[in-house]
Amino acid sequence: GENVEQHPSTLSVQEGDSAVIKCTYSDSASNYFPWYKQELGKRPQLIIDIRSNVGEKKDQRIAVTLNKTAKHFSLHITETQPEDSAVYFCAAHMEYGNKLVFGAGTILRVKS
Amino acid sequence: NAGVTQTPKFRILKIGQSMTLQCTQDMNHNYMYWYRQDPGMGLKLIYYSVGAGITDKGEVPNGYNVSRSTTEDFPLRLELAAPSQTSVYFCASSSLGGETQYFGPGTRLLVL
Repeated sequence: GENVEQHPSTLSVQEGDSAVIKCTYSDSASNYFPWYKQELGKRPQLIIDIRSNVGEKKDQRIAVTLNKTAKHFSLHITETQPEDSAVYFCAAHMEYGNKLVFGAGTILRVKS
Repeated sequence: NAGVTQTPKFRILKIGQSMTLQCTQDMNHNYMYWYRQDPGMGLKLIYYSVGAGITDKGEVPNGYNVSRSTTEDFPLRLELAAPSQTSVYFCASSSLGGETQYFGPGTRLLVL
């Protein structure tokens, strides 16, 4: 089945710096890759997603890149702010059952 | 729209007790999912449903049961609670043909 690996498990950056989180997936049939942000004690919320026919997508300070050949995708956050501190999960979509397989998560800490 | 709602928010169970976690969505979504999230860990799929009357096992189904009699509701049943079931349980839903999953606020369960 699909497997998603996510790195790093924790990431500390200074406010204003950039943060990059990387994921690799195993199923070449996956074609949809969302990123979720989970604040402490809250539900995961979708922040950005990308489909396999697109190489990059941006939304203000966040961007996602996808390399289908290498089967990896990354989340980029620029000009980080303290409110970006959270756990970030990547996921890959499985068509059978319309399921998402999640990475293990990255704890991002933005130090002010 | 309320989106995805879950009850209760928090529950303490004694070993061997049973309970039902409720999940309701008002977005007319066909797909619904149950995840568990252990402290500091990622999301593991317990069961999912592709429509009323159709359910299937996910990654960690042992100790749980589900039913889907209506489009809106997807309850999760724990029959004989064990300490290993201490976790936060999230319900999610997505539309037919849509991959984005929307999460409920979660139920925190403590089994003592």
